[in-house]
Amino acid sequence: SQQGEEDPQALSIQEGENATMNCSYKTSINNLQWYRQNSGRGLVHLILIRSNEREKHSGRLRVTLDTSKKSSSLLITASRAADTASYFCATASGSARQLTFGSGTQLTVLP
Amino acid sequence: DTEVTQTPKHLVMGMTNKKSLKCEQHMGHRAMYWYKQKAKKPPELMFVYSYEKLSINESVPSRFSPECPNSSLLNLHLHALQPEDSALYLCASSQEPLPNTEAFFGQGTRLTVV
Repeated sequence: SQQGEEDPQALSIQEGENATMNCSYKTSINNLQWYRQNSGRGLVHLILIRSNEREKHSGRLRVTLDTSKKSSSLLITASRAADTASYFCATASGSARQLTFGSGTQLTVLP
Repeated sequence: DTEVTQTPKHLVMGMTNKKSLKCEQHMGHRAMYWYKQKAKKPPELMFVYSYEKLSINESVPSRFSPECPNSSLLNLHLHALQPEDSALYLCASSQEPLPNTEAFFGQGTRLTVV
């Protein structure tokens, strides 16, 4: 079942701009992960943030986690046309022992 | 080798056919997963294998039958499917059973049931 919602559902920006996507979830978690999916293909893991972490960076990606609000955000800086994809957050909890995905954000970066 | 390989990439089958989807990884991962994804929706978990044993079955209809012959292979046997079963079927693996690790996904099998 779907853990939570992502917003916006769709985001269109110009190359070079920053893109921010938000994720809300419902239950307590061990960690929250972000994945990218190019059209109709497999998912690629981007970053994992543990429940005791508040912020994490990887290259042009910055992820924040607020467990009190049960929310996370993914910031992609200096976006490129190649960043065009769907982005999903996924929560992992000890009891469920599985990844449960949010609804996803479709990002379009215009050249 | 950091890949999860799924075959075939595309499959068209009739409602009376029997077919199998295959998934292979050589990363020594001990957990493997089947997900189903409909268009413009997030992936939904179907099955989890941990240490080659079925550990989670998300109330999937019996027309889908998973099999894990060894630690590197995962199959999904399909029989008497319905058109609404048309979807992208994704296989994934993780080093250890979740939650404390990331998952690696294959490119998926695009299944069309006619």
